[in-house]
Amino acid sequence: TQLLEQSPQFLSIQEGENLTVYCNSSSVFSSLQWYRQEPGEGPVLLVTVVTGGEVKKLKRLTFQFGDARKDSSLHITAAQPGDTGLYLCAGAGTGGSYIPTFGRGTSLIVHP
Amino acid sequence: KAGVTQTPRYLIKTRGQQVTLSCSPISGHRSVSWYQQTPGQGLQFLFEYFSETQRNKGNFPGRFSGRQFSNSRSEMNVSTLELGDSALYLCASSPRTNLAGEQYFGPGTRLTVT
Repeated sequence: TQLLEQSPQFLSIQEGENLTVYCNSSSVFSSLQWYRQEPGEGPVLLVTVVTGGEVKKLKRLTFQFGDARKDSSLHITAAQPGDTGLYLCAGAGTGGSYIPTFGRGTSLIVHP
Repeated sequence: KAGVTQTPRYLIKTRGQQVTLSCSPISGHRSVSWYQQTPGQGLQFLFEYFSETQRNKGNFPGRFSGRQFSNSRSEMNVSTLELGDSALYLCASSPRTNLAGEQYFGPGTRLTVT
């Protein structure tokens, strides 16, 4: 059973479009991270959210943590080819464990 | 600060052999975790070491083992390799106090078992 469900699994869009990816769980997390992974490389930490309802912005990326700390979303405005990659969410703090559980990711391709 | 480094980057082994992968964490990070990433299962936690002690362990068979040295560098070993062990093995380091669960990953070692 996957603790964190990410949707959509795949996304192929044109440059300039907006998109939102989702990360959902039935568990409450103390914190949640978003990572981006490019082919052949390790995931790179983008952001950590810890407070229910929290919104963080990183240039064209907007991250939101759900009020109940069970879900999160990542919105990208005016996507660029450089945004292409696998976006992973990871939740920590369930049952007292700080070891993060990862979703399977959303694979994004942005066509020029 | 230099990032997490992993060696080797690529490895091809034959079924039944064993393999050792190496990881050097970010300077000052004492926690090192290992993950296996496959297209079918995603990122799965193998184990975490802190101050040379295994502090947490994932649901993998005993063929997967690891250790951490006094300088925080870590190695993981897989014995009696199986075809299904082909994967990207990722090492991640974390600061001493890491209640937020943030991980800083290396580039990974791509293991192919034939």
